[in-house]
Amino acid sequence: NAGVTQTPKFRILKIGQSMTLQCAQDMNHNYMYWYRQDPGMGLKLIYYSVGAGITDKGEVPNGYNVSRSTTEDFPLRLELAAPSQTSVYFCASSYSLEGETQYFGPGTRLLVL
Amino acid sequence: GQNIDQPTEMTATEGAIVQINCTYQTSGFNGLFWYQQHAGEAPTFLSYNVLDGLEEKGRFSSFLSRSKGYSYLLLKELQMKDSASYLCAPQDSNYQLIWGAGTKLIIKP
Repeated sequence: NAGVTQTPKFRILKIGQSMTLQCAQDMNHNYMYWYRQDPGMGLKLIYYSVGAGITDKGEVPNGYNVSRSTTEDFPLRLELAAPSQTSVYFCASSYSLEGETQYFGPGTRLLVL
Repeated sequence: GQNIDQPTEMTATEGAIVQINCTYQTSGFNGLFWYQQHAGEAPTFLSYNVLDGLEEKGRFSSFLSRSKGYSYLLLKELQMKDSASYLCAPQDSNYQLIWGAGTKLIIKP
């Protein structure tokens, strides 16, 4: 099993550009999450999904969009990139919610200039 | 509001024992996770507590007191590879993880 995979590993964007961060998992997990991690701060939940076709906002959803057309994939879309979106983005998945470990992908480091 | 408090940084010596404390305030509570995160890498699961008391797993143990909103992670026989950040994450009433900023643990020879 590859677990949770993310692409790209690193990207530089210009202000106003758009991009999609890819996330896939092969563990047949129902729940998937997108977090951002800024230096010295805790992980912040952007969006999450409880299954294919179902997504919901987390703590910091502004400027992002997601979709979940399959159980495996959960892409994160950035529209009109801003310097405030410079961060490390982690995708994670879990089998269920209560007491279940979240498994993380390796992360995407994004720099918006 | 929801709040997690853990020390920013701690230093310990190889072979010693260190305790990393975490206090939390959340909207409801459904257990608490500890994750380890090496620099430039993703968080990885260490432990989960939902009932009061101590959970032991090899060199690592985690303690929870629900009434005090308090947990600690105990690392024994410290090794250089234990140099990492340790993230405390209670789960709120909606089963969302609320993440602390983490404690950076520096191990010295």
